[in-house]
Amino acid sequence: AQTVTQSQPEMSVQEAETVTLSCTYDTSESDYYLFWYKQPPSRQMILVIRQEAYKQQNATENRFSVNFQKAAKSFSLKISDSQLGDAAMYFCAYKADSWGKLQFGAGTQVVVTP
Amino acid sequence: AAGVIQSPRHLIKEKRETATLKCYPIPRHDTVYWYQQGPGQDPQFLISFYEKMQSDKGSIPDRFSAQQFSDYHSELNMSSLELGDSALYFCASSLDTEAFFGQGTRLTVV
Repeated sequence: AQTVTQSQPEMSVQEAETVTLSCTYDTSESDYYLFWYKQPPSRQMILVIRQEAYKQQNATENRFSVNFQKAAKSFSLKISDSQLGDAAMYFCAYKADSWGKLQFGAGTQVVVTP
Repeated sequence: AAGVIQSPRHLIKEKRETATLKCYPIPRHDTVYWYQQGPGQDPQFLISFYEKMQSDKGSIPDRFSAQQFSDYHSELNMSSLELGDSALYFCASSLDTEAFFGQGTRLTVV
């Protein structure tokens, strides 16, 4: 069974606008880690942002921020001031512990239009 | 900064042949992971090593084996290749929570 669910196969956004990607996950753990990875056409996997479950404060990295709702098991990614270079597949990922494997969602393709 | 190095970047093999993929982790990283990403799919975990010992195993076929050597580089050996093994194979390394990915090896089985 899929631990991580991304329900949006594709999202389109205009340059300079904001887009939000949704992610839900299933776990019985209280401590875990969540990530958003970006995979551009080069297929390189690039870490965008990470969130530790024990931290209540939402993580932010420049134009990227998350909305972490632990009780709802939700972890959405907001891309502000979208740029053409943001066009990529975005994967949400869950890690049960610091040395464990990543479990990925199915991905959301972000299309940025001029 | 040093990154995860994978070789070769591209590999074409025929059915029933054998392939060996290599991964050189970031220096001082003690954990190596292998993932397989089929066309249009998310990466699937295959196997991981911590300090040269297998630490976890995912949906890795019995035809595949892997090991981590004394210098911490890792190799994924794939035998009796099938058309369905065509995929992008990622290696990642980590020292703590964050995993750094290599650029991947694209394997095509014909």
